[in-house]
Amino acid sequence: QKEVEQNSGPLSVPEGAIASLNCTYSDRGSQSFFWYRQYSGKSPELIMFIYSNGDKEDGRFTAQLNKASQYVSLLIRDSQPSDSATYLCAVNERDYKLSFGAGTTVTVRA
Amino acid sequence: DAGITQSPRHKVTETGTPVTLRCHQTENHRYMYWYRQDPGHGLRLIHYSYGVKDTDKGEVSDGYSVSRSKTEDFLLTLESATSSQTSVYFCAISDGGGTDTQYFGPGTRLTVL
Repeated sequence: QKEVEQNSGPLSVPEGAIASLNCTYSDRGSQSFFWYRQYSGKSPELIMFIYSNGDKEDGRFTAQLNKASQYVSLLIRDSQPSDSATYLCAVNERDYKLSFGAGTTVTVRA
Repeated sequence: DAGITQSPRHKVTETGTPVTLRCHQTENHRYMYWYRQDPGHGLRLIHYSYGVKDTDKGEVSDGYSVSRSKTEDFLLTLESATSSQTSVYFCAISDGGGTDTQYFGPGTRLTVL
């Protein structure tokens, strides 16, 4: 089982601020990286995925990947109370499996 | 949302009883997965399937078995439930394409007394 580590939370940010979430992984062979959002009592839902080094933007979300340093991050700009959730980082393994981090809980203060 | 349903959504059972959870998909995806989620552990893979009758173990497979007789259904069985198997169980599916993206069902909350 490959290791995926996320920055410990909880993370509290004021409304309108940027929330920054970090994730490191152990397997240099990993090629696909995912961020899921999970509201309390609900199932994980995909926010975005990234394959290539650099930034990928989707609305208020930006994923950043640095394979040389083995980290992937997620920035949430203009944070809203509706962004309050647990964010899961996932990294692909072989055989179409994913390894998940334990998650970082974000609270956006109004 | 991807067409994934899980049943039952909630179940309370007693130690030593058998329990079967069902995952049903309408997406015709090749890959199906069972995870458990516990506080502080994130999602941990129990078993997965890469086709009808083709299954393999994940990192926490002890005490669990699975079966997949049709593309759309993936069953998880606890042969003799224990209190340590109290958890939230999620099914996920993937089409196995280049993205490896997995989509999750609504989950089943299982309590073993």
